[in-house]
Amino acid sequence: GAVVSQHPSWVICKSGTSVKIECRSLDFQATTMFWYRQFPKQSLMLMATSNEGSKATYEQGVEKDKFLINHASLTLSTLTVTSAHPEDSSFYICSASNLLAGVQETQYFGPGTRLLVL
Amino acid sequence: DAKTTQPTSMDCAEGRAANLPCNHSTISGNEYVYWYRQIHSQGPQYIIHGLKNNETNEMASLIITEDRKSSTLILPHATLRDTAVYYCIVRVEYRWGKLQFGAGTQVVVTP
Repeated sequence: GAVVSQHPSWVICKSGTSVKIECRSLDFQATTMFWYRQFPKQSLMLMATSNEGSKATYEQGVEKDKFLINHASLTLSTLTVTSAHPEDSSFYICSASNLLAGVQETQYFGPGTRLLVL
Repeated sequence: DAKTTQPTSMDCAEGRAANLPCNHSTISGNEYVYWYRQIHSQGPQYIIHGLKNNETNEMASLIITEDRKSSTLILPHATLRDTAVYYCIVRVEYRWGKLQFGAGTQVVVTP
């Protein structure tokens, strides 16, 4: 399958600071990238969908000003958690897929980024 | 997207076949059945997907009933590394193609 990477794999930051997480598709062009969040012992929750070159679409209840998403190229999307607080501590996972002729192909996931806000 | 129902957990003996059921009785004609798994503290891994025909790849087989209301993922020879949470998801492939994850099935493979 296709390879998606994330960086960093884990990060610890102080409350009030901002953290940027990168998601890259290594061997395919990703017209669409998705960002998920997973709390301990829970399933993945979709946060937002981004298409290359356009604004992200956020799921209900996800603050767009707090979770800034940029998808500037076909291989890179970034998620910035602004003014992070302890309740933002979670496992953040991205996925990527390609939209061809109106068909969204299989999503491939990155390894995840564990964020701990102190 | 249609909801799916999976057992909460399953145990399987190493070397034996693991059969993971999934009910999706409200599936629409244009929705595919996808299977992913998540090993502890990792991102989900794509396994297989299908529309109405049975599918097989190097990882698993997917059997979809004729009425498409349920499916079974088969891991032919389970190994300890197959211990994971397995998610069955139905998804349309046009428009956003979003995946909505349920609770999944925790599969534990024992020696």
